[in-house]
Amino acid sequence: GENVEQHPSTLSVQEGDSAVIKCTYSDSASNYFPWYKQELGKRPQLIIDIRSNVGEKKDQRIAVTLNKTAKHFSLHITETQPEDSAVYFCAASIYGGSQGNLIFGKGTKLSVKP
Amino acid sequence: EPEVTQTPSHQVTQMGQEVILRCVPISNHLYFYWYRQILGQKVEFLVSFYNNEISEKSEIFDDQFSVERPDGSNFTLKIRSTKLEDSAMYFCASSVPYNEQFFGPGTRLTVL
Repeated sequence: GENVEQHPSTLSVQEGDSAVIKCTYSDSASNYFPWYKQELGKRPQLIIDIRSNVGEKKDQRIAVTLNKTAKHFSLHITETQPEDSAVYFCAASIYGGSQGNLIFGKGTKLSVKP
Repeated sequence: EPEVTQTPSHQVTQMGQEVILRCVPISNHLYFYWYRQILGQKVEFLVSFYNNEISEKSEIFDDQFSVERPDGSNFTLKIRSTKLEDSAMYFCASSVPYNEQFFGPGTRLTVL
């Protein structure tokens, strides 16, 4: 089955700096890659997603890149703010043949220092 | 904006007891999921449900677990005989085909 590795496990940056979180996946059939932000005690919330027919997607300060050949994808947050502090999870899924159950990475705890 | 809801928010039970966790998915969604998250760990897939039957399940979802959609709105997860290691946050999620999964707020299950 699918396995998703995520690095780093913790990341501390100064406000205004950029943050990059990287994930690799094992199943070449995976075609949907969402990123979720989870604040302490709250539900995971989707912040951006990318499908395998696209190499890059951007939404304001957040961008995701996908390299299908290398089977890795990355989250980029620019101009970080203290409210970006949370745990970020990447996930991989196969949409189409199956019902799209998400396989998550272990998460990255991002701390943005004012 | 419609949201997935879950009840109860916190459930405390004794080992060996049965628990039922309840979810109300977003009304026009067709796919339903249960995930769990042990404290401080990653979110793990348990089961997906579509067209009134299980679509996929993980190795975690053994014979102690079952899911049901008893009416047009609720989606339940039952654990027949709880174990200490079942203590976790359980999230329900729902989606329309091939789109974002929306997560509920979770039920924290504590097994004593």
